[in-house]
Amino acid sequence: DTEVTQTPKHLVMGMTNKKSLKCEQHMGHRAMYWYKQKAKKPPELMFVYSYEKLSINESVPSRFSPECPNSSLLNLHLHALQPEDSALYLCASSGGFGNTIYFGEGSWLTVV
Amino acid sequence: AQRVTQPEKLLSVFKGAPVELKCNYSYSGSPELFWYVQYSRQRLQLLLRHISRESIKGFTADLNKGETSFHLKKPFAQEEDSAMYYCASQPGTYKYIFGTGTRLKVLA
Repeated sequence: DTEVTQTPKHLVMGMTNKKSLKCEQHMGHRAMYWYKQKAKKPPELMFVYSYEKLSINESVPSRFSPECPNSSLLNLHLHALQPEDSALYLCASSGGFGNTIYFGEGSWLTVV
Repeated sequence: AQRVTQPEKLLSVFKGAPVELKCNYSYSGSPELFWYVQYSRQRLQLLLRHISRESIKGFTADLNKGETSFHLKKPFAQEEDSAMYYCASQPGTYKYIFGTGTRLKVLA
């Protein structure tokens, strides 16, 4: 199984809502990632968890809150988002240096 | 700052023509380098990586440390190669940086 699974595929939320994006991998990877991708732009790194600990936070606003419940799961909690946060949110996982990073299909988020 | 540059946003070639997608990186160490591809309505997926020196779907990429480049090449483009291509650098164990991407269109 070389898949990263993300739910939901699409999410529409208001600026006062609280929602979560979920991600799962069963490849035994030690690192999991959240990327944000706007239309016609490359993926931008948001967070990295390695060994279930947050190791990189690319100065992401606190309205995005990551969580890693265990080595296979990664969540992104969303609260008080802005319309400009509308984007494709990609989850990924990898095994380490020189290893491939595997991406999920992404969650399309629209903030209204 | 660590950066990956892909100078062409769009590259159009005719079927059967050679293809070269350019990638330059800025990093003083020895990053691991990759090419990723995103076909229409599909997830971002690995095309090839420098460490394994493999050729996938006829594509190859050579690392030139002097020019800090990792250009992607294919001698004869096929229509099914039309996609978005991203060059990526791995300057640290758990950090991947993506270039701005080049859309390849292969014309019949």
